[in-house]
Amino acid sequence: QQPVQSPQAVILREGEDAVINCSSSKALYSVHWYRQKHGEAPIFLMILLKGGEQKGHDKISASFNEKKQQSSLYLTASQLSYSGTYFCGPREGGATNKLIFGTGTLLAVQP
Amino acid sequence: GAVVSQHPSRVICKSGTSVKIECRSLDFQATTMFWYRQFPKQSLMLMATSNEGSKATYEQGVEKDKFLINHASLTLSTLTVTSAHPEDSSFYICSARHPSTGELFFGEGSRLTVL
Repeated sequence: QQPVQSPQAVILREGEDAVINCSSSKALYSVHWYRQKHGEAPIFLMILLKGGEQKGHDKISASFNEKKQQSSLYLTASQLSYSGTYFCGPREGGATNKLIFGTGTLLAVQP
Repeated sequence: GAVVSQHPSRVICKSGTSVKIECRSLDFQATTMFWYRQFPKQSLMLMATSNEGSKATYEQGVEKDKFLINHASLTLSTLTVTSAHPEDSSFYICSARHPSTGELFFGEGSRLTVL
């Protein structure tokens, strides 16, 4: 089942912060975060493996809750380059370890 | 440079013809590759998991006879859209999972337009 992301879309001005949430109905092996520009392939941002984990680089960070069913992506002091659609990609366990992408969140950063 | 190369990037074909899309892992051997389809303003939908040396695993609702997947080597997976129809027009993206880190590397995508 496809994970649900919220909000569906958000418009920011440069320098503002945003939080994107990803929720799954079942516990996950891990969660990946990707950003996709229009007409391009997704770009990997980060992966979280452990419940309760938080990690990040520059001004983009993410958390994975203890039950491993929810993850949030935090964008601080947004830049124009942050614009795009963000997808969480929960990875299921088992033999296939396939990655199912969330519903997506469109982020537009304006000057 | 690209870690995963996908070809062609754009293809236009007539209804009823077949189209083959190639996905190559350039920097590592990928026993597993994934094929996604993306309609405008929608998320990436997993179509199938391509396994080297064995049959692909298709997601529910994806016709395996229509979307033929072949993973003949550790660096190449192909997706063939057979008897394409206008409703098959979409953006198709492949990805390969790095065997050590688990990170997915995506190809550049192939935009298929069926007239």
